[in-house]
Amino acid sequence: EAQVTQNPRYLITVTGKKLTVTCSQNMNHEYMSWYRQDPGLGLRQIYYSMNVEVTDKGDVPEGYKVSRKEKRNFPLILESPSPNQTSLYFCASSPVGAGANVLTFGAGSRLTVL
Amino acid sequence: KQEVTQIPAALSVPEGENLVLNCSFTDSAIYNLQWFRQDPGKGLTSLLLIQSSQREQTSGRLNASLDKSSGRSTLYIAASQPGDSATYLCAVNRDDKIIFGKGTRLHILP
Repeated sequence: EAQVTQNPRYLITVTGKKLTVTCSQNMNHEYMSWYRQDPGLGLRQIYYSMNVEVTDKGDVPEGYKVSRKEKRNFPLILESPSPNQTSLYFCASSPVGAGANVLTFGAGSRLTVL
Repeated sequence: KQEVTQIPAALSVPEGENLVLNCSFTDSAIYNLQWFRQDPGKGLTSLLLIQSSQREQTSGRLNASLDKSSGRSTLYIAASQPGDSATYLCAVNRDDKIIFGKGTRLHILP
């Protein structure tokens, strides 16, 4: 089944403890991106990647890192999580850029930072 | 800076009625506009994608229109059903940066 898989789906952690949320797609998509969704603020783009070894900042990149060493994987790294990064995170992918193609979303990862 | 607005934030409609959801954006220089559906606690499902050169797209009971010059899009849902209850989001894309509206929470009354 064609899909975007995120792990973990739920995570509770403490301030300052580094964590990684993984994202993997099995559709050979070139474009991948991360979003966070917060009540009253909607979905906001954190980072995106046009292809392997190419990443760019979205609207809210502060406090996050990403890497794209393989086409299928696009992990989101929180080096020193803070409570304001408590949110619902989504990963998405599309075949060739987001300009002409439908985005496929993962099921989401709910992160709580205490 | 691109801003995407969806009004109303919430809408309740009796089953069987036709309805229109609205999306407006401030910068008309977009590549495309997508409509998504999000069920509570779930991810987003793409409903329709309209390229900047297109005026509308249809899928089943859904029809989305795009008027780039006025910065508006509408999602028309015909013969609404309780299963249509969800949050509907629109998103505009330019330079592969995607900006989402905050969504319209739709409730179809049985």
